[in-house]
Amino acid sequence: SQTIHQWPATLVQPVGSPLSLECTVEGTSNPNLYWYRQAAGRGLQLLFYSVGIGQISSEVPQNLSASRPQDRQFILSSKKLLLSDSGFYLCAWSPSLEGLQPQHFGDGTRLSIL
Amino acid sequence: DAKTTQPPSMDCAEGRAANLPCNHSTISGNEYVYWYRQIHSQGPQYIIHGLKNNETNEMASLIITEDRKSSTLILPHATLRDTAVYYCIVRGWKEKLQFGAGTQVVVTP
Repeated sequence: SQTIHQWPATLVQPVGSPLSLECTVEGTSNPNLYWYRQAAGRGLQLLFYSVGIGQISSEVPQNLSASRPQDRQFILSSKKLLLSDSGFYLCAWSPSLEGLQPQHFGDGTRLSIL
Repeated sequence: DAKTTQPPSMDCAEGRAANLPCNHSTISGNEYVYWYRQIHSQGPQYIIHGLKNNETNEMASLIITEDRKSSTLILPHATLRDTAVYYCIVRGWKEKLQFGAGTQVVVTP
């Protein structure tokens, strides 16, 4: 069966520091991968998605970037964090040629910026 | 532009069926109805999806009206662990998942 892993579970970072969140998927090949952010008490906002290695689409302009160095690895990064980057970051995957297949989410990383 | 409308909250007694409504009056012919739930501090969990026929799996049943303008998610025997925010999402081919505010379901003993 497929599993998705995100780490760390929680992170506290100072303003201006860099960020690297990692997500890996097991048990499938060539998945579509997604990064979402959920602000406190709000819905999920799609940040990036990827249909293959090195292929990244950005949904909203922001202080963050994403990379996909391997088929089942998706990384969310920032060079300098802002207070507004605080939130709950979720990685998700779905089968390639997704069409209407559901996405499956990891347990998320709760990021607090001080 | 929200494609779905859900009540903000509802309570359910443990052991009883929970019936969660969702209105999607502008749904188009090629759009599916998806349900996810999010337990506090966890990632969303996929529950079920359907086009026009009723669907059932080990977690829930999905009842879609004949005109497809509304649907109901049924949790047959609610447990305390079913307390979560439930999201009803309408989505077409390769469209993005758009999460709204959902329904906060509280299962009480």
